[in-house]
Amino acid sequence: RKEVEQDPGPFNVPEGATVAFNCTYSNSASQSFFWYRQDCRKEPKLLMSVYSSGNEDGRFTAQLNRASQYISLLIRDSKLSDSATYLCVVNSGGYQKVTFGIGTKLQVIP
Amino acid sequence: DAGITQSPRYKITETGRQVTLMCHQTWSHSYMFWYRQDLGHGLRLIYYSAAADITDKGEVPDGYVVSRSKTENFPLTLESATRSQTSVYFCASSESWGTGYGYTFGSGTRLTVV
Repeated sequence: RKEVEQDPGPFNVPEGATVAFNCTYSNSASQSFFWYRQDCRKEPKLLMSVYSSGNEDGRFTAQLNRASQYISLLIRDSKLSDSATYLCVVNSGGYQKVTFGIGTKLQVIP
Repeated sequence: DAGITQSPRYKITETGRQVTLMCHQTWSHSYMFWYRQDLGHGLRLIYYSAAADITDKGEVPDGYVVSRSKTENFPLTLESATRSQTSVYFCASSESWGTGYGYTFGSGTRLTVV
């Protein structure tokens, strides 16, 4: 089993839709979790951290479910500019234990 | 401008040649990293550095060499390039230890080995 698993998609959604991605992780000792956004042929950029209590930033909500070992990203009122690949990042302690998922591709359609 | 810059942006080289990818950051971040990104894989850590003259292997270090004589520079050398090293290489820096938070990536180097 991979340490971090994501559905690669693509998720094709119309503008204004709500879309959610999940990311599962295998190491129950994982300590911190993040979502990064990567535009086509660009570098990854931090989108938001994921806390046990949940984290909301505008139209984006990230949540952590430790019992089931997954994190989620919810995007409300999708915009064309949200089209990108969303990378899940899990840290199990130390830089050698920072694991990136393969990413979920989102395409928002007019 | 402050930031992290990589050069070259694109590189085509032949099998067996030595290639060096450059990375320069202006924040004086202690930690620097080299990742490669390939289809079907997440970013994979090649090497990282906690400070000048301190480097350590990541998940996929074979065939690569790094050095860090100055805090701001972290070059990655492919000693004898192979086709399997065709990839997109990202350099990153961070001021904190032990977390994925606050990684700032360079714009990447697309390397093709023919």
